[in-house]
Amino acid sequence: NAGVTQTPKFRVLKTGQSMTLLCAQDMNHEYMYWYRQDPGMGLRLIHYSVGEGTTAKGEVPDGYNVSRLKKQNFLLGLESAAPSQTSVYFCASSPVAGNQETQYFGPGTRLLVL
Amino acid sequence: QQQVKQSPQSLIVQKGGISIINCAYENTAFDYFPWYQQFPGKGPALLIAIRPDVSEKKEGRFTISFNKSAKQFSLHIMDSQPGDSATYFCAASIVYTGANNLFFGTGTRLTVIP
Repeated sequence: NAGVTQTPKFRVLKTGQSMTLLCAQDMNHEYMYWYRQDPGMGLRLIHYSVGEGTTAKGEVPDGYNVSRLKKQNFLLGLESAAPSQTSVYFCASSPVAGNQETQYFGPGTRLLVL
Repeated sequence: QQQVKQSPQSLIVQKGGISIINCAYENTAFDYFPWYQQFPGKGPALLIAIRPDVSEKKEGRFTISFNKSAKQFSLHIMDSQPGDSATYFCAASIVYTGANNLFFGTGTRLTVIP
Protein backbone atom coordinates (compact mmCIF):
# COMPACT_ATOMS: atom_id res chain seq x y z
CA ASN A 1 0.00 0.00 0.00
CA ALA A 2 1.32 3.38 -1.02
CA GLY A 3 -1.17 5.10 1.32
CA VAL A 4 -1.81 8.70 0.31
CA THR A 5 0.28 10.08 -2.54
CA GLN A 6 0.44 13.62 -3.90
CA THR A 7 1.71 15.01 -7.16
CA PRO A 8 3.61 17.13 -7.83
CA LYS A 9 6.00 17.42 -4.88
CA PHE A 10 7.00 20.96 -5.74
CA ARG A 11 5.79 23.60 -8.17
CA VAL A 12 6.52 27.22 -8.98
CA LEU A 13 3.75 29.29 -10.55
CA LYS A 14 3.48 32.84 -11.75
CA THR A 15 0.60 34.97 -10.54
CA GLY A 16 -2.49 34.25 -12.59
CA GLN A 17 -1.45 30.79 -13.74
CA SER A 18 -3.58 27.77 -13.01
CA MET A 19 -2.71 24.31 -11.82
CA THR A 20 -4.17 21.13 -10.39
CA LEU A 21 -2.82 19.17 -7.45
CA LEU A 22 -3.57 15.48 -7.47
CA CYS A 23 -4.16 13.32 -4.42
CA ALA A 24 -4.58 9.58 -4.63
CA GLN A 25 -5.24 6.99 -1.93
CA ASP A 26 -5.27 3.22 -2.18
CA MET A 27 -6.90 2.46 1.17
CA ASN A 28 -10.49 2.59 -0.12
CA HIS A 29 -11.21 5.50 2.21
CA GLU A 30 -14.50 7.29 1.86
CA TYR A 31 -13.44 10.72 3.12
CA MET A 32 -10.74 12.94 1.68
CA TYR A 33 -9.46 16.37 2.66
CA TRP A 34 -7.22 19.17 1.41
CA TYR A 35 -5.30 21.31 3.91
CA ARG A 36 -2.80 24.10 3.58
CA GLN A 37 0.02 24.58 6.06
CA ASP A 38 1.52 27.99 6.67
CA PRO A 39 4.15 29.03 9.23
CA GLY A 40 2.55 29.91 12.55
CA MET A 41 -0.91 28.92 11.31
CA GLY A 42 -0.97 25.16 11.61
CA LEU A 43 -3.03 23.25 9.06
CA ARG A 44 -6.26 24.72 7.76
CA LEU A 45 -8.95 22.80 5.91
CA ILE A 46 -9.62 24.02 2.36
CA HIS A 47 -12.18 21.56 1.02
CA TYR A 48 -13.26 18.04 1.83
CA SER A 49 -15.26 15.19 0.37
CA VAL A 50 -17.43 12.60 2.08
CA GLY A 51 -17.68 10.39 -0.97
CA GLU A 52 -17.29 10.07 -4.70
CA GLY A 53 -19.00 12.92 -6.48
CA THR A 54 -19.41 15.06 -3.36
CA THR A 55 -17.38 18.02 -2.12
CA ALA A 56 -17.80 20.69 0.54
CA LYS A 57 -16.07 23.85 1.70
CA GLY A 58 -13.76 23.91 4.66
CA GLU A 59 -12.27 26.76 6.64
CA VAL A 60 -10.39 28.55 3.83
CA PRO A 61 -12.00 27.62 0.46
CA ASP A 62 -11.65 30.91 -1.43
CA GLY A 63 -9.52 30.69 -4.57
CA TYR A 64 -9.68 26.89 -4.74
CA ASN A 65 -11.90 24.33 -6.39
CA VAL A 66 -12.00 20.58 -5.96
CA SER A 67 -13.36 17.50 -7.67
CA ARG A 68 -13.85 13.90 -6.58
CA LEU A 69 -14.79 12.03 -9.78
CA LYS A 70 -13.26 8.80 -8.55
CA LYS A 71 -13.26 7.51 -4.99
CA GLN A 72 -9.50 7.19 -4.87
CA ASN A 73 -8.68 10.63 -6.25
CA PHE A 74 -9.23 14.14 -4.93
CA LEU A 75 -8.10 17.06 -7.09
CA LEU A 76 -7.39 20.58 -5.87
CA GLY A 77 -7.44 23.33 -8.47
CA LEU A 78 -6.15 26.87 -8.47
CA GLU A 79 -7.75 28.78 -11.34
CA SER A 80 -5.72 31.98 -10.97
CA ALA A 81 -2.85 31.60 -8.54
CA ALA A 82 -1.98 34.42 -6.15
CA PRO A 83 1.12 34.91 -3.98
CA SER A 84 -1.09 34.39 -0.91
CA GLN A 85 -1.53 30.80 -2.07
CA THR A 86 2.15 30.07 -1.54
CA SER A 87 1.99 27.24 0.96
CA VAL A 88 2.47 23.55 1.58
CA TYR A 89 -0.62 21.58 0.63
CA PHE A 90 -1.51 18.32 2.31
CA CYS A 91 -4.09 15.80 1.29
CA ALA A 92 -5.56 13.37 3.80
CA SER A 93 -8.05 10.55 3.82
CA SER A 94 -10.03 8.68 6.46
CA PRO A 95 -12.23 5.59 6.50
CA VAL A 96 -15.95 5.46 7.26
CA ALA A 97 -16.07 2.58 9.69
CA GLY A 98 -13.68 1.57 12.43
CA ASN A 99 -11.17 4.23 13.38
CA GLN A 100 -13.05 6.88 11.49
CA GLU A 101 -11.36 9.79 13.09
CA THR A 102 -7.81 8.98 12.02
CA GLN A 103 -6.75 10.98 9.04
CA TYR A 104 -3.86 9.69 6.96
CA PHE A 105 -1.79 12.41 5.35
CA GLY A 106 0.20 12.50 2.16
CA PRO A 107 3.76 13.87 1.95
CA GLY A 108 2.67 17.32 0.80
CA THR A 109 3.07 19.59 -2.22
CA ARG A 110 5.13 22.72 -1.84
CA LEU A 111 3.75 25.54 -4.00
CA LEU A 112 5.46 28.85 -4.63
CA VAL A 113 3.53 31.58 -6.42
CA LEU A 114 5.63 34.44 -7.71
CA GLN B 1 -9.85 33.00 14.54
CA GLN B 2 -7.84 30.07 15.85
CA GLN B 3 -10.25 27.47 17.20
CA VAL B 4 -7.50 25.58 19.01
CA LYS B 5 -4.73 27.52 20.75
CA GLN B 6 -1.41 25.76 21.28
CA SER B 7 1.67 26.61 23.32
CA PRO B 8 4.59 26.85 23.41
CA GLN B 9 5.60 27.58 19.84
CA SER B 10 8.94 25.87 20.40
CA LEU B 11 10.39 23.69 23.11
CA ILE B 12 13.90 22.45 23.87
CA VAL B 13 14.27 19.52 26.24
CA GLN B 14 17.22 17.47 27.39
CA LYS B 15 17.26 13.77 26.58
CA GLY B 16 15.40 11.91 29.29
CA GLY B 17 13.35 14.94 30.28
CA ILE B 18 9.61 15.52 30.09
CA SER B 19 8.14 17.51 27.21
CA ILE B 20 4.80 19.20 27.82
CA ILE B 21 2.67 20.87 25.16
CA ASN B 22 -0.60 22.57 26.00
CA CYS B 23 -3.75 23.27 24.02
CA ALA B 24 -7.00 25.06 24.74
CA TYR B 25 -10.30 25.32 22.92
CA GLU B 26 -13.58 27.18 23.23
CA ASN B 27 -16.10 25.16 21.24
CA THR B 28 -17.75 22.64 23.57
CA ALA B 29 -19.08 20.76 20.54
CA PHE B 30 -15.63 19.31 19.87
CA ASP B 31 -15.75 15.59 20.59
CA TYR B 32 -12.38 14.23 19.53
CA PHE B 33 -8.89 15.50 20.35
CA PRO B 34 -5.94 14.00 18.47
CA TRP B 35 -2.27 14.86 18.49
CA TYR B 36 -0.29 14.66 15.28
CA GLN B 37 3.47 14.38 14.89
CA GLN B 38 5.22 15.80 11.84
CA PHE B 39 8.83 15.27 10.81
CA PRO B 40 10.47 17.69 8.36
CA GLY B 41 9.39 17.09 4.79
CA LYS B 42 6.67 14.65 5.81
CA GLY B 43 2.95 14.80 6.34
CA PRO B 44 1.50 14.75 9.87
CA ALA B 45 0.85 11.34 11.39
CA LEU B 46 -1.55 10.50 14.21
CA LEU B 47 0.30 10.03 17.49
CA ILE B 48 -2.41 9.63 20.11
CA ALA B 49 -6.00 10.78 20.60
CA ILE B 50 -8.59 11.17 23.34
CA ARG B 51 -12.33 11.66 23.70
CA PRO B 52 -13.79 14.11 26.25
CA ASP B 53 -15.27 11.36 28.44
CA VAL B 54 -11.76 10.30 29.50
CA SER B 55 -9.36 12.43 31.56
CA GLU B 56 -6.15 10.69 30.58
CA LYS B 57 -4.83 8.37 27.92
CA LYS B 58 -1.40 6.82 27.85
CA GLU B 59 0.39 5.06 25.03
CA GLY B 60 3.97 4.18 25.83
CA ARG B 61 5.88 7.37 26.64
CA PHE B 62 3.07 9.60 25.36
CA THR B 63 0.18 10.73 27.58
CA ILE B 64 -2.74 13.03 26.90
CA SER B 65 -4.26 14.80 29.89
CA PHE B 66 -7.74 16.23 29.31
CA ASN B 67 -9.56 18.78 31.46
CA LYS B 68 -13.08 19.16 30.15
CA SER B 69 -14.18 21.88 32.56
CA ALA B 70 -11.16 24.02 31.72
CA LYS B 71 -11.39 23.16 28.01
CA GLN B 72 -7.72 22.29 27.95
CA PHE B 73 -5.67 19.28 27.00
CA SER B 74 -1.98 18.56 26.97
CA LEU B 75 0.58 16.13 25.61
CA HIS B 76 3.29 14.79 27.90
CA ILE B 77 6.28 12.99 26.45
CA MET B 78 8.15 11.09 29.14
CA ASP B 79 11.83 10.20 28.81
CA SER B 80 12.11 12.40 25.71
CA GLN B 81 14.49 11.11 23.03
CA PRO B 82 16.28 12.85 20.15
CA GLY B 83 14.07 10.84 17.79
CA ASP B 84 11.06 12.68 19.26
CA SER B 85 12.34 15.92 17.73
CA ALA B 86 9.49 16.97 15.45
CA THR B 87 6.60 19.40 15.23
CA TYR B 88 3.54 18.44 17.25
CA PHE B 89 0.03 19.60 16.46
CA CYS B 90 -2.98 19.29 18.68
CA ALA B 91 -6.35 19.23 16.99
CA ALA B 92 -10.04 19.01 17.69
CA SER B 93 -12.90 17.81 15.57
CA ILE B 94 -16.65 17.96 15.24
CA VAL B 95 -18.54 15.34 13.30
CA TYR B 96 -20.85 16.99 10.82
CA THR B 97 -21.95 16.05 7.34
CA GLY B 98 -20.31 12.71 8.07
CA ALA B 99 -16.72 13.93 8.04
CA ASN B 100 -14.45 14.55 11.00
CA ASN B 101 -13.07 17.92 10.05
CA LEU B 102 -10.01 18.70 12.12
CA PHE B 103 -9.14 22.12 13.53
CA PHE B 104 -5.42 22.26 14.22
CA GLY B 105 -3.36 24.22 16.68
CA THR B 106 -0.44 26.24 15.36
CA GLY B 107 2.15 23.60 16.22
CA THR B 108 5.06 23.16 18.64
CA ARG B 109 8.54 22.48 17.37
CA LEU B 110 10.20 20.12 19.84
CA THR B 111 13.95 19.70 19.95
CA VAL B 112 15.41 17.03 22.22
CA ILE B 113 19.07 17.61 22.94
CA PRO B 114 21.23 14.47 23.37
